[in-house]
Amino acid sequence: QQQVKQSPQSLIVQKGGISIINCAYENTAFDYFPWYQQFPGKGPALLIAIRPDVSEKKEGRFTISFNKSAKQFSLHIMDSQPGDSATYFCAAGGEKLTFGTGTRLTIIP
Amino acid sequence: DGGITQSPKYLFRKEGQNVTLSCEQNLNHDAMYWYRQDPGQGLRLIYYSQIVNDFQKGDIAEGYSVSREKKESFPLTVTSAQKNPTAFYLCASSILHANTEAFFGQGTRLTVV
Repeated sequence: QQQVKQSPQSLIVQKGGISIINCAYENTAFDYFPWYQQFPGKGPALLIAIRPDVSEKKEGRFTISFNKSAKQFSLHIMDSQPGDSATYFCAAGGEKLTFGTGTRLTIIP
Repeated sequence: DGGITQSPKYLFRKEGQNVTLSCEQNLNHDAMYWYRQDPGQGLRLIYYSQIVNDFQKGDIAEGYSVSREKKESFPLTVTSAQKNPTAFYLCASSILHANTEAFFGQGTRLTVV
């Protein structure tokens, strides 16, 4: 089973700070790396995604950094807000996605 | 509104009973997926289908069965052979395969007592 390792398991950040979540993958054939955001009792929703031909993608306060040689990618949330408090999942794949184990992010005032 | 509808939201069953979870989409997506979510384990793929009348096992297919008789529908049956069926089940769909955005339903929380 191909794994995607995600860290940290939980994260507490002050409002206005930068939240950083990291993921590492094994399969070099993976060509799609999305991040999903999930609120309690809801299904995940796509936040931002990147393909391996670029090293960074930014959408508003959310940035993915991608390091192909290290097989790692990370999510940065700038100016973190209480509304960003949720569980975040990284994923990797092609025909099917393999998900990380999730990071519970809490933004405190 | 376009989207994915899972029903019911909550489901209770007695141990030893089979139960079927519904998933319907009106996004005209070819690919559909079933995931199981447990605390601390992320989302694990149970089954997926890329075309009507065809489906593939995911990473944890034992104790589950699916059908894909219509493009819009991908029901999941949790059989009595599934040793630990209590979980949050998520259905998703995408245009062709997972290399594009997957849209998720709101999930069904199954509790087996």
